[in-house]
Amino acid sequence: GENVEQHPSTLSVQEGDSAVIKCTYSDSASNYFPWYKQELGKGPQLIIDIRSNVGEKKDQRIAVTLNKTAKHFSLHITETQPEDSAVYFCAANNYGQNFVFGPGTRLSVLP
Amino acid sequence: GAVVSQHPSWVICKSGTSVKIECRSLDFQATTMFWYRQFPKQSLMLMATSNEGSKATYEQGVEKDKFLINHASLTLSTLTVTSAHPEDSSFYICSASDSGTVGEKLFFGSGTQLSVL
Repeated sequence: GENVEQHPSTLSVQEGDSAVIKCTYSDSASNYFPWYKQELGKGPQLIIDIRSNVGEKKDQRIAVTLNKTAKHFSLHITETQPEDSAVYFCAANNYGQNFVFGPGTRLSVLP
Repeated sequence: GAVVSQHPSWVICKSGTSVKIECRSLDFQATTMFWYRQFPKQSLMLMATSNEGSKATYEQGVEKDKFLINHASLTLSTLTVTSAHPEDSSFYICSASDSGTVGEKLFFGSGTQLSVL
């Protein structure tokens, strides 16, 4: 089955700097890769996603890149702000199968 | 994005009682809903997959008689924790897939913090 690894487990950046979180997956059949942001005491919120027919997708300060050959995808957050502090989860999915989540990255943006 | 509503957001109950958690998809029909359990500082642990009109599929190690799941309509799934005990205390989160024209997307409810005394 699918296995998703995520690094780093914790990340601290200064406000205004960029943050990058990387995930690797094992099943080459996976074709959908969402990223979720979870704030304390809340459910995960979908912030950006990418499908396997696209190499990069951007939405304002966040972007996701996908390397199908290497089977990894990354979340990029630019100009970080304190409100970006949260736990971020990546996931991989093949249509009709269950989503498999990474272990999460705790991002702290220091003012 | 699509909205998934989950209630209650927190509940405290006595040991031995049952607790029901509701999960509703507000602006889309969800043929499949998922229930997760999350321990502090850990990832999401899938408990069961709920399909409308059929029995839920439970993950290995999850007691189906303790965690009763009912998916009676395309917009509502419920999780009932029966005879709750302190070890059942956890954060429970539901999610629903929106099978739009470009494939499934997964949206989460706000979670329910269960504390069993």
